[in-house]
Amino acid sequence: EVQLVETGGGLVRPGSSLKLSCATSGFTFSNTWMNWVRQAPGKGLEWVALIKDKYSNYEANYAESVKGRFTVSRDDSKSRVYLQMNTLRDQDTATYYCTRAFNYGYFFDYWGQGVMVTVSS
Amino acid sequence: DIQMTQSPASLSASLGETVTIECRASEDIYNGLAWYQQKPGKSPQLLIYNANSLHTGVPSRFSGSGSGTQYSLKINSLQSEDVASYFCQQYYNYPLTFGSGTKLEIK
Repeated sequence: EVQLVETGGGLVRPGSSLKLSCATSGFTFSNTWMNWVRQAPGKGLEWVALIKDKYSNYEANYAESVKGRFTVSRDDSKSRVYLQMNTLRDQDTATYYCTRAFNYGYFFDYWGQGVMVTVSS
Repeated sequence: DIQMTQSPASLSASLGETVTIECRASEDIYNGLAWYQQKPGKSPQLLIYNANSLHTGVPSRFSGSGSGTQYSLKINSLQSEDVASYFCQQYYNYPLTFGSGTKLEIK
């Protein structure tokens, strides 16, 4: 059974940093592309970042709204994907979902339960 | 960026009815479109990809169609468990973008 479990969320001040982690199981993580998607409270979905696999040189892509502040990474030995979030803003407040890309595609066939990040003074 | 305009924002229908949700892209996305269902308090789930391919395990009363800039999700014989928000997503180009969602309720 495919499982994605996010951890690391919480309440932080504007300007601070936070690192999210997503532990995965039930599939071959090393040759799977992974993403982060977020959803502000009561709002729609926003793609945040994608990290490809070693065969694609771990290429990463970001939404413009987080480029330069967020960094996606992965540890294939631990089947984990991470999202380092720096210089957090109020607008980054959201539930962050770890998602699996379907078959080297750019859409998502499995989603974690999500982790809440609240940025507030 | 490719803008996805989804309509209607909300929809109320009776059990057994057929409903249609539309998504219009700001440019041709060449069938690079997925549909997701998000039940209250839950994570989204993939329904349709490549505009018209049904994801494994999704009931056949869900179907997708369209081409170019215009796409739709149809739900036949509406069931109570279909109460959810539905989102389209284009993946033809970066950044990957979603529609604003349609909230479906039972009348």
